[in-house]
Order: sequence, then structure tokens, then C-alpha cells
Amino acid sequence: SQQGEEDPQALSIQEGENATMNCSYKTSINNLQWYRQNSGRGLVHLILIRSNEREKHSGRLRVTLDTSKKSSSLLITASRAADTASYFCATDADRDDKIIFGKGTRLHILP
Amino acid sequence: DTEVTQTPKHLVMGMTNKKSLKCEQHMGHRAMYWYKQKAKKPPELMFVYSYEKLSINESVPSRFSPECPNSSLLNLHLHALQPEDSALYLCASSLWTGNTEAFFGQGTRLTVV
Repeated sequence: SQQGEEDPQALSIQEGENATMNCSYKTSINNLQWYRQNSGRGLVHLILIRSNEREKHSGRLRVTLDTSKKSSSLLITASRAADTASYFCATDADRDDKIIFGKGTRLHILP
Repeated sequence: DTEVTQTPKHLVMGMTNKKSLKCEQHMGHRAMYWYKQKAKKPPELMFVYSYEKLSINESVPSRFSPECPNSSLLNLHLHALQPEDSALYLCASSLWTGNTEAFFGQGTRLTVV
């Protein structure tokens, strides 16, 4: 299975701190995406990083990709209460129409 | 318009009912997806449509029947469901399969009684 595995499964940090979540996967990929989900509703696309990219930034988000280790990390800087959500990585394997999600990290920002 | 619209938002149905979930996008995307998500679990892929043709069925029971009437619409027909089918059903679309970001709808919260 190409399913990603996030760690940690749950993370609680103080507002203003940085949050780092990791994702590992098993097969070669075209790209890796990170999504946020609030309260079991729809997923919001955060960032896509292609297999030939190593790092990408979007606002307070920084994503890295290490294809040799088959892993990615999502860093959220200066966390806010509104960042409380579940975060999933999703991979899109080479020559495959599927987008497969990892198990997710539940992030809780403490006031 | 970067929205994927799913209706209804909530659905309660009996095990003998027939109902349909609807998904619509007007972004010109040619790939559309159905996912099922149970509480505190990741979304699980059910079906993928590419250019209005079913390209992937992840061994989903036949009581779930997808349909793609045109490039903007995706339906999921439900019949003789079980209580364990209660979940959040998410629709997504992307420009095409592979290598592009997917946009998700808000989901339909389905309860089977």
C-alpha cells in the first residue's frame, strides 16, 4: 500500500509555538499534498509538493520532501487557535489515478 | 469558482431505502472522486472517474453505485445500506488524475438506521 503514515498521531502545543508533523509513504510518488480538516467536514488543500521539489513555502507553512527516505514534513510556524484541526498527507503514486491519505495528525493549539 | 458542492449535507436513511448523493464542480476538472470517512480516520478512496469513465473501483460493495452523467456531475447511488455504512462521504475533483491538487466538497453526513 502507498498509504502515508503521519506522526505524531496527536499534538498539543501552545499558541505561538511551531508545529511539525511528519508523513512517511511506501511507493514512488508523483506528488505529495497536505490537507487540513476541521471538525470532520471537508478537506482544505494546503500545499502540493512535486517529487522533484525538496521544499515549498506558503504563508506560515513549510513543507519538505525527501524522496530517498520517502518522507515529508509540514511545519506550521507561529501557531494560532484556528490551526486546531486534523492534518493529512496524501500521495499520488506514479502511473496511478489514486490519491491515498495517511492516517493524519490531530493538532490542538492551546490558548 | 473553486468549489465542489455536495448535496445533501446530512442524510438519514433506512436500510431498505434508495437515495443518491450528488456532487458538482464547475472548474473544468476531468477527474472526480468519492471517498468514505469514518470518525477519526482518514478518507478512504472508493471510486475514481477520469474523463467521465470509471477508472478505479476500490472493491466497493455493489450497494454503492457511482454515476458520472457529465463532466461536472458525480452521483453516488445508495441502496440496501447497512448501519456500518454510516460515515462522511466526500467528493473531490482535480484537473486530471495524477499530479494535480484535489478540491474537496464539505461532504454528506450519512446515517443508516
